[in-house]
Parts: sequence; C-alpha cells; structure tokens
Amino acid sequence: ILNVEQSPQSLHVQEGDSTNFTCSFPSSNFYALHWYRWETAKSPEALFVMTLNGDEKKKGRISATLNTKEGYSYLYIKGSQPEDSATYLCASNSNSGYALNFGKGTSLLVTP
Amino acid sequence: DARVTQTPRDKVTEMGQEVTMRCQPILGHNTVFWYRQTMMQGLELLAYFRNRAPLDDSGMPKDRFSAEMPDATLATLKIQPSEPRDSAVYFCASGLVQGELFFGEGSRLTVL
Repeated sequence: ILNVEQSPQSLHVQEGDSTNFTCSFPSSNFYALHWYRWETAKSPEALFVMTLNGDEKKKGRISATLNTKEGYSYLYIKGSQPEDSATYLCASNSNSGYALNFGKGTSLLVTP
Repeated sequence: DARVTQTPRDKVTEMGQEVTMRCQPILGHNTVFWYRQTMMQGLELLAYFRNRAPLDDSGMPKDRFSAEMPDATLATLKIQPSEPRDSAVYFCASGLVQGELFFGEGSRLTVL
C-alpha cells in the first residue's frame, strides 16, 4: 500500500488569500495522482487526475502541479473564497495494482 | 444524472448483528472501491474490484468483512458479526481504470 502524506493537516486563511497544500507519494511505480474536494456532509468530488511529470492542471482559481520524480504534488488556490472551505484529498496509485490510496487530507477554512 | 447509489444511508444495529451495505456503480464503470471514513485514517481502502474481480482487499479485516460483486450493477460489503469499532461512514466509488472516482453519498453505520 502506498503511503500518501498531505500537509498541512489544516489551514485557516482569510478571504482573498492565496494558499497551497502539499501531497507527497512514493515515486516508484507511480501511475496517477488524484486531487479531490470534500465538503462537509457531502461526498468527495474529483478536481484533477494527473499522470505526467511536470503536468499542470487548472480549474478556475484552483491549480495543481505534479513532480513524479521526487514524488510530490502541490494544489494552489488563488484568492480563496469562503466556498472553498473543504477538505482537499490527494490519492495515488501505482502501475502494479491501480488501487487508489488516499492521504488524510488538508482541511481548509476560509473566513470572510 | 449518473451517480453511485448506496444503501442504506444510515444503519443502527447491535453488536453481533450482520450488516450488508450495497452499492450500485455508474453504468459502464469497470472499477469499484469500498472506503471507510475514520477520524484517524481518513479514507481507508477496504476493497477494490476491476471488471468485477477483487484485486485488492488487503485493507479489509478478513475475519468479519467480505466484499463481493455478484454482477456489474451491484457491489456489497458485509460485516458479520459487527462490532462497535466498525462504526464509521462507508463509501463506495466507481470509475474507469485510471480515471477519476465518483463517490456515493456513503452509508453511516452505528454499532451499539
């Protein structure tokens, strides 16, 4: 089982601040890295699926980068809004089994 | 709108009783995952099926848990006998191999 680590565990920012989180994963036999957004009382929803080293993806104010050689991914939120408050999960799998294993998430709170 | 359907949404049972949770994946998806949400572990992988074949259940306590996919439209997770420490929210997710996962709304289990 891959160990996926996320930091920080939680984050509290003011509206308008930009922020970023880190996801680290074992780089051997890497296949894909996923980011999910999980709002309270809802189910996780996919933000990005990334497979290529150097890949960058963007959705609105949220973007992500991937470094498969060193085993990390960053998620950036530009100009945080209260509706961005959620837990952000990353997950990784290998090409030896494809089971997707999640980190414990970063809990983001954005206050007005 | 295609979605993953889980039943029951809420289940309260007494220790020692059998519990069966059901999941209907999105039509056409060939991977199904069962996860358990815990405070300590976040989303803990219990079982993973690809084309209905179980590929990874290493995270599942084998003595009391079992997971099956009797057909492409149904995945089940059974606990027998249930224990208070099994109390958690159980999520089912489906997707295409290496694609994003679509999560159900979860089954909240309380074992008294």
